[in-house]
Amino acid sequence: GNSVTQMEGPVTLSEEAFLTINCTYTATGYPSLFWYVQYPGEGLQLLLKATKADDKGSNKGFEATYRKETTSFHLEKGSVQVSDSAVYFCALSAGGGADGLTFGKGTHLIIQP
Amino acid sequence: GAVVSQHPSRVICKSGTSVKIECRSLDFQATTMFWYRQFPKKSLMLMATSNEGSKATYEQGVEKDKFLINHASLTLSTLTVTSAHPEDSSFYICSAMTSGGLSSSYNEQFFGPGTRLTVL
Repeated sequence: GNSVTQMEGPVTLSEEAFLTINCTYTATGYPSLFWYVQYPGEGLQLLLKATKADDKGSNKGFEATYRKETTSFHLEKGSVQVSDSAVYFCALSAGGGADGLTFGKGTHLIIQP
Repeated sequence: GAVVSQHPSRVICKSGTSVKIECRSLDFQATTMFWYRQFPKKSLMLMATSNEGSKATYEQGVEKDKFLINHASLTLSTLTVTSAHPEDSSFYICSAMTSGGLSSSYNEQFFGPGTRLTVL
């Protein structure tokens, strides 16, 4: 079956540091890949997505590239801010987003001023 | 952006009782809604897919008679946990999928804030 593995936190960084959160997946076919973010007290929000190999999703300074050869979709940001503190979930959809998502366990990111 | 609400946000009930959780899309119509369950330190697990006007599709291992799902309108889906037991205590999250409108959000899932269920 489908699965997503991501580094578990908490990950603690100083403001303006470089961020990488690793995510690898197992799936049949060619899934769509997503990063969701959950701020305290709020629902999950789509951060970025990629639907085919070598696609790069980007939003709010975050980027992730769909790497089929390494089955990875690592999240990166060049300079994090305190406001980026949240839980980040990597997810996949075998149906292009039209079906239920398979999530990783989430990575709690803490940015210190 | 699209907003999804859940009610209640938190509920405590006695073992053996039933609890209903509502999921509403506030500013868009959703022909499809999904119900997830999240355990501590665990990922969200898909429980079922709810389609307006038809029976829900349950994931393997999810008891359909225990977790009743009704999707009676394009903006409301309900999850009823019947004869709840302490092991049903969890965080339940719904999402609603856009079925039209902005192409940039087509087929995007919008998540509710979740409902914390505690069964005593």
